[in-house]
Amino acid sequence: KNEVEQSPQNLTAQEGEFITINCSYSVGISALHWLQQHPGGGIVSLFMLSSGKKKHGRLIATINIQEKHSSLHITASHPRDSAVYICAVAQGSQGNLIFGKGTKLSVKP
Amino acid sequence: DTEVTQTPKHLVMGMTNKKSLKCEQHMGHRAMYWYKQKAKKPPELMFVYSYEKLSINESVPSRFSPECPNSSLLNLHLHALQPEDSALYLCASSHLGLGGYTFGSGTRLTVV
Repeated sequence: KNEVEQSPQNLTAQEGEFITINCSYSVGISALHWLQQHPGGGIVSLFMLSSGKKKHGRLIATINIQEKHSSLHITASHPRDSAVYICAVAQGSQGNLIFGKGTKLSVKP
Repeated sequence: DTEVTQTPKHLVMGMTNKKSLKCEQHMGHRAMYWYKQKAKKPPELMFVYSYEKLSINESVPSRFSPECPNSSLLNLHLHALQPEDSALYLCASSHLGLGGYTFGSGTRLTVV
C-alpha cells in the first residue's frame, strides 16, 4: 500500500465547476504539501499545511490530522487550472517529501 | 529572490559524456534536494543536503555524484549514464520543515 494515496487519478470537469481532490496518508508527517505540475513543466508549491485550512484565490486546502486526510478544492474552475495536482507529505527532520501519484485534472471550456 | 534556478533546461548527452546539472537559490534555505521524475510518475528523492552536508542518499548509483559547494548552490555531476536515466531532474530547497518548499523548473535529460 502506498504511503500517500490520492483520488481520483483522473478528473475531467466543465469550466465553472467546483472540484475536489482527496489525499490520504498512512505515516506520521510534519507537514502536507499540495503541488501543481503542468505538462513537461516544473512543480509549483500551492500550499503547505500542518493543520486546519488555507485559502489562496480560488484554491482551498484542508487537512484533518486525526483522520490523516487532506482535500484540495478549486472553486469556479477554469481551463488554465488543467494540470497534475500532487499531494506530498514531509517526514522527519530533513524535509524530504513522499509523493502521491497525482491527479490529472482537465477543465473543458 | 524567491526562485530556484536550474540550468540547463534541456540536456542531451551520450553514454560516455560527463556533464553537470546546476541548481541555485538565494532564499537562505538550508536544505536542498535532488529529485528524479520519469514520465507520468511522481518525483523520487535522490539526495538531500542539509547545511551543505549530504544527509540522505537514496541508494543512487555512483554515476550520479552530488556536490554542494556553498549554501546557495547544488550540483549533480553525471558520468557514464544509461538511456534509462533519461528523466526530468528537479532541484528543490526548503527551510527544513519551516516551510518555503520551492522547486526549480527542472532539467530534461536525454541519454543517447
